[in-house]
Amino acid sequence: DGGITQSPKYLFRKEGQNVTLSCEQNLNHDAMYWYRQDPGQGLRLIYYSQIVNDFQKGDIAEGYSVSREKKESFPLTVTSAQKNPTAFYLCASSSSGPNTEAFFGQGTRLTVV
Amino acid sequence: GESVGLHLPTLSVQEGDNSIINCAYSNSASDYFIWYKQESGKGPQFIIDIRSNMDKRQGQRVTVLLNKTVKHLSLQIAATQPGDSAVYFCAENIQPSGSARQLTFGSGTQLTVLP
Repeated sequence: DGGITQSPKYLFRKEGQNVTLSCEQNLNHDAMYWYRQDPGQGLRLIYYSQIVNDFQKGDIAEGYSVSREKKESFPLTVTSAQKNPTAFYLCASSSSGPNTEAFFGQGTRLTVV
Repeated sequence: GESVGLHLPTLSVQEGDNSIINCAYSNSASDYFIWYKQESGKGPQFIIDIRSNMDKRQGQRVTVLLNKTVKHLSLQIAATQPGDSAVYFCAENIQPSGSARQLTFGSGTQLTVLP
């Protein structure tokens, strides 16, 4: 069953703690992305990676970190430096090249308590 | 920086009517556009795409129109059904100078289908 999987679906974090969101894909896609979505808002790009062991900051990278050690995996760490981390986080992947759609996971809803 | 934006945040239509959702983009270098549908609490799903060398593309009950002169994109849904109620996003695929290719989204339009 091919696709992109995010886990967990819901995540609660205490203030001051780091937390890591998982994203795995078995679509053999080179590119992977992390977006943040706030209520009633669009998707804002946090980080993206076009190839293993390489990644670039998106529009709102501050307070987040990523790694891309394997093609299939692109975990996102929300650090204590992120001042307002409560949001819906979406991971996506796509083939490389100009005319390729992105496939999304079902998202992780992070709540800081 | 340049961004994709939408004209209307909400749109309500009667079941069976046609829906038109609009999107403006400002990056003239964008060469590929995608419409996504997002249901509540879920990830966006691909609806239809269009390349910059086209001005119209049709799918099942959906049509995307691209006007590069005014940098405008629209999604038309024919015979709108209750299951079409969702947030619709347009996205542009661009490769900024000196950077890797990325996908940038607009703010979305909430479509509500009335019985």
